[in-house]
Amino acid sequence: EAQVTQNPRYLITVTGKKLTVTCSQNMNHEYMSWYRQDPGLGLRQIYYSMNVEVTDKGDVPEGYKVSRKEKRNFPLILESPSPNQTSLYFCASSPTGTAPYEQYFGPGTRLTVT
Amino acid sequence: GNSVTQMEGPVTLSEEAFLTINCTYTATGYPSLFWYVQYPGEGLQLLLKATKADDKGSNKGFEATYRKETTSFHLEKGSVQVSDSAVYFCALSDGGYGNQFYFGTGTSLTVIP
Repeated sequence: EAQVTQNPRYLITVTGKKLTVTCSQNMNHEYMSWYRQDPGLGLRQIYYSMNVEVTDKGDVPEGYKVSRKEKRNFPLILESPSPNQTSLYFCASSPTGTAPYEQYFGPGTRLTVT
Repeated sequence: GNSVTQMEGPVTLSEEAFLTINCTYTATGYPSLFWYVQYPGEGLQLLLKATKADDKGSNKGFEATYRKETTSFHLEKGSVQVSDSAVYFCALSDGGYGNQFYFGTGTSLTVIP
């Protein structure tokens, strides 16, 4: 089954404790992206990657890191989480080539930072 | 710049009622437009899309027409069901480098029997 998977689905952590949220897709998509979803703000893009070893900042990159060492994986790293990073996070992927590039979303990771 | 403005919710309708969720956009160039749906506890799923002016996207009884003159992409359904209860997001993509999507804030729909 074609899908985007994220782990963990739920995470509660404390301020300053480094964490990684994994994202993997099995559709051989070149493009991957991370979003955060907050009430009243919709989805905002954190980082995206056009291909292996190519990453770029989205609208809200502060406090986050990403890497793209393999085509299928795109982990999101919070080196020193803070309470304002409490949010619902989505990973997405899409093919590239001919627009429009529909994005396929993972199930989400709900992060709470205390 | 690019942006999407979406009708605020929440919206509560009785089963079989007519649904309209308004969406307007601001964009440079010729964007593609999308409606995504998010069911409780799940990620976003593509509901329908349109790639150029006057295109009509449709799926599962939902429709939306790309109106360049009014920069709108309103979502409609003639008769909603309880199973349509979800959050609906309007989005655009300019198709440029980065495939950046711009999402509206989402509209929560609850359909009561």
